[in-house]
Amino acid sequence: KQEVTQIPAALSVPEGENLVLNCSFTDSAIYNLQWFRQDPGKGLTSLLLIQSSQREQTSGRLNASLDKSSGRSTLYIAASQPGDSATYLCVLLGGSQGNLIFGKGTKLSVKP
Amino acid sequence: ETGVTQTPRHLVMGMTNKKSLKCEQHLGHNAMYWYKQSAKKPLELMFVYSLEERVENNSVPSRFSPECPNSSHLFLHLHTLQPEDSALYLCASSQELSGELFFGEGSRLTVL
Repeated sequence: KQEVTQIPAALSVPEGENLVLNCSFTDSAIYNLQWFRQDPGKGLTSLLLIQSSQREQTSGRLNASLDKSSGRSTLYIAASQPGDSATYLCVLLGGSQGNLIFGKGTKLSVKP
Repeated sequence: ETGVTQTPRHLVMGMTNKKSLKCEQHLGHNAMYWYKQSAKKPLELMFVYSLEERVENNSVPSRFSPECPNSSHLFLHLHTLQPEDSALYLCASSQELSGELFFGEGSRLTVL
């Protein structure tokens, strides 16, 4: 059974730091992997989608990588800002039945 | 309007009420989803529809009844709910199953 783990569960950093959020999974037979951010009480905003055949995607200060062999994806945030404070979630998208598995998320706080 | 729209944004109901949550997507997608997000738990996939056919029912109690009249609209009918059903209910859509997900802002449900 596919399981998704996000470490750390919470992270607090000073503004300007570069940081890495981790997402690990147990079954490499995934289709795509997507990273989201969620602000309190709000819906999920898509950040990056990595298709199964890709190894990384970049958008602005964000870079996400995917290593299926090790069962790991990382989200790198460069030069963090207080506006980056949110919960970051990764989701595995797999199979013809729309199998979708979310991690519990990493709650990020960037202090000014 | 663009994206995924959910109404109402907030709903308070008694245990004997009947209410419905509505989701509408303006993205031309073929798959739609209902998720439940409770405090301190990962997102739970409830239902998946592809081309208006239900493809996943993730062991959801019958007091939750989905309806997908067309590829742009998804409803979640609520009847005889329990206080533990209080949560944020999120709707999402994707072009195809296992495709990139787009979420609505969610409907915050409180059952008294």
